[in-house]
Amino acid sequence: DAGITQSPRYKITETGRQVTLMCHQTWSHSYMFWYRQDLGHGLRLIYYSAAADITDKGEVPDGYVVSRSKTENFPLTLESATRSQTSVYFCASSSKGPSYEQYFGPGTRLTVT
Amino acid sequence: QQQVKQSPQSLIVQKGGISIINCAYENTAFDYFPWYQQFPGKGPALLIAIRPDVSEKKEGRFTISFNKSAKQFSLHIMDSQPGDSATYFCAPTGAGSYQLTFGKGTKLSVIP
Repeated sequence: DAGITQSPRYKITETGRQVTLMCHQTWSHSYMFWYRQDLGHGLRLIYYSAAADITDKGEVPDGYVVSRSKTENFPLTLESATRSQTSVYFCASSSKGPSYEQYFGPGTRLTVT
Repeated sequence: QQQVKQSPQSLIVQKGGISIINCAYENTAFDYFPWYQQFPGKGPALLIAIRPDVSEKKEGRFTISFNKSAKQFSLHIMDSQPGDSATYFCAPTGAGSYQLTFGKGTKLSVIP
């Protein structure tokens, strides 16, 4: 199916464990983004990527690592999860062009105990 | 530095009424002014967007009004319906950035 998918949709992990959230898009969009959404904060950008092998920090990058070896995939890794990283994570993609529209995935709800 | 201020935080409107959500920004380089709509359990989706060369854009019951001198833009939902109940985000961007600057969101509840 075309679109943007995220996996897993729900994840519970323990403090200190490594967790990887997956994001896959089928449009060959150049740009991909990771956001976290918390009550009272709206959506905050964690990392973004302009193309394969090009990534850059957003507003709240501490504690997260990203990679983008293929255009369609943009995994987000929490190297040592903390309770403050309990959140809903959204991946988004955008094409290069006059429209800045971002297409969002369904989200991953992560709970760190 | 808070670049985008969205108000109100929450809004309750009767069915058939008008919902108005406002967004104030500071960055004069912004040249794309969208509103995103998010239903519970879903990702945000673009609802409507405007460029600064026009002061108003209408799509069905949804209208964006843009005031460049005041650095504000607003979303008007006419004849609000219970199905419009969602969280709305303004997310201006520009200057080739491709990074959206999200407001903190407005939770709209339309009651029958």
